[in-house]
This record gives sequence, structure tokens and C-alpha cells, in this order.
Amino acid sequence: NAGVTQTPKFQVLKTGQSMTLQCAQDMNHEYMSWYRQDPGMGLRLIHYSVGAGITDQGEVPNGYNVSRSTTEDFPLRLLSAAPSQTSVYFCASSQYRAGNEKLFFGSGTQLSVL
Amino acid sequence: AQSVTQLDSHVSVSEGTPVLLRCNYSSSYSPSLFWYVQHPNKGLQLLLKYTSAATLVKGINGFEAEFKKSETSFHLTKPSAHMSDAAEYFCVVSGLIGANNLFFGTGTRLTVIP
Repeated sequence: NAGVTQTPKFQVLKTGQSMTLQCAQDMNHEYMSWYRQDPGMGLRLIHYSVGAGITDQGEVPNGYNVSRSTTEDFPLRLLSAAPSQTSVYFCASSQYRAGNEKLFFGSGTQLSVL
Repeated sequence: AQSVTQLDSHVSVSEGTPVLLRCNYSSSYSPSLFWYVQHPNKGLQLLLKYTSAATLVKGINGFEAEFKKSETSFHLTKPSAHMSDAAEYFCVVSGLIGANNLFFGTGTRLTVIP
């Protein structure tokens, strides 16, 4: 009964380093997304996917890349980390599009960029 | 354009007393509205959702919310607070049915005093 699994839970990077945040779901959901959560700002959508091979930008996509080669996995890549990317990152999925569907969230990745 | 305003960043209640968390929304379309709860160091969990059916929506753990179009509000209530209700609560709006983006409020932290 895994649901949405995110790894790692914590990560510290130096400015300019790259890394990939992993997200996997075992519910055969079509829709997957990445959000970042910053104090006093709620959650903001970074990128989303409506199926394997289909991705699109959200509200704050700059500095992040995504791909969706399988239904289960939706990794988020930081190519050159910046201090402004210090945040808590959540992956979420739903059966279909997010508009009126229940989103299932992972437990988050806390990222610090020094 | 869609947006959400959560009127209180922090609400404190005594155990056993009613809870009221306020949310106003703005939407160019007939909105879908959600309340999510986030317990410390956890991902978000859906409490309830409104998608143009009954205006009074019942959710999990005794919470409910009433959609009031004339007031553009979707306030969350619970008759009697429990210690386990202490968490961060997010009001969320989606404009178009099937839209891929959700707009999160900035959150209301609920403290329950024993």
C-alpha cells in the first residue's frame, strides 16, 4: 500500500550542483505533478504530466526539468542548484487531471542549497 | 484568473470547541474547491472537495465546508476540536473542470489547546 513515494527525504546541495528528486506511484495514475512549498506561500506547481511522454510547465518551472518515461515514475531534475531552490518539494498524483480529482501526495523532500 | 485567500494564518482553539477556518476564492469559472490538511513532516491529505453538487460538503474526521457563491467563500468547520486536528490546512481552487493546475492558499495553522 505504498501510494506516492519520494526519495530522498532530505538533501543538502552546494550552489551549482545537480541532482534528481525521485517520485514513484503504484496506483496507475495518469496525472503526476511536482510542487514546491515555501513559508507563507502555499504550494506552487513546478511541472506536471498527464501521461507517459507528456509533460508541461506549471507556475514556477525555471531551473527544473522533468520527464515521464513510464506511468509510475516522474523525476524532477535540478541542473544547477541555486539558493532560491531551497524548499520542500512534494510530488502528487491523481487518477486523471488535477482539476476535480483527489491528489495523493508523497511525504516530501526537504532541500537546502548552500 | 483563479486565486484563494485564507483569511487567518493561525487559529487557536480549545479542545472540544468549534473550529472555523476561513477561505475566500476568486474564479473566472465555476470552481472546484478543496481543503487539504498537512500534519507535521507529512504530505497533504484531502479533507473534502466541492465540485458543483451539494453546497454543504462533508469530509473526513468530522470536518465540513459550505460553498457560498454569493460570498465567494468556502469556510471549513468542525463542531468540536480534537488534539489530533492540530495541523496546517490549505484551501485550494481549480477553475476549469479537468484543468491541470490547482491554486493553493497560503495555509492556516490550527493549534488545539488542551
